[in-house]
Amino acid sequence: TQLLEQSPQFLSIQEGENLTVYCNSSSVFSSLQWYRQEPGEGPVLLVTVVTGGEVKKLKRLTFQFGDARKDSSLHITAAQPGDTGLYLCAGRGTSGSRLTFGEGTQLTVNP
Amino acid sequence: GAGVSQSPSNKVTEKGKDVELRCDPISGHTALYWYRQSLGQGLEFLIYFQGNSAPDKSGLPSDRFSAERTGGSVSTLTIQRTQQEDSAVYLCASSSWGHQNTEAFFGQGTRLTVV
Repeated sequence: TQLLEQSPQFLSIQEGENLTVYCNSSSVFSSLQWYRQEPGEGPVLLVTVVTGGEVKKLKRLTFQFGDARKDSSLHITAAQPGDTGLYLCAGRGTSGSRLTFGEGTQLTVNP
Repeated sequence: GAGVSQSPSNKVTEKGKDVELRCDPISGHTALYWYRQSLGQGLEFLIYFQGNSAPDKSGLPSDRFSAERTGGSVSTLTIQRTQQEDSAVYLCASSSWGHQNTEAFFGQGTRLTVV
């Protein structure tokens, strides 16, 4: 069983601060995805990383895949209240295999 | 419709009753997933259908849970003899194929409450 551990579980910060969310596993993943979920909705994909060491940027969000493809991080610069939500990492062991999700990080950005 | 559709959106049932949850995936998507989510928590994997392959049922928590996918499209998740601990949001997702880059598209979920 492939497990993904996210930290922190909860994060409450002020608008304008920076933050980093971590996603770790003892297993190797062929790809790792980050999703964001708002109350009453299903998760929505933010990014997919597939190459060890890969870095992707999406406006103020920076995603990194670890060299060994066992971990990933999400960094948000100058957080805004609109960034509030549940952030979930999800890994796929091999192409065609199921998608395994982490426990999520509940982010609250206060104005 | 253009997205994944789940019904009902809310279901309240009495302990011991059976319930059926329906998922209509995006047309043409060969992969379909069911997950369970407790309030503010992550997604607990239940079952994964991929094309004509045997489904991955390794996440089903007990033999009271079963799921089928008819004609490679609509899926039904059935919970027999519901218990209070079954209360959660049940999410369905579909994707074009389980390739490493493939995005999973989620429905809005069915909120199940067992009283």
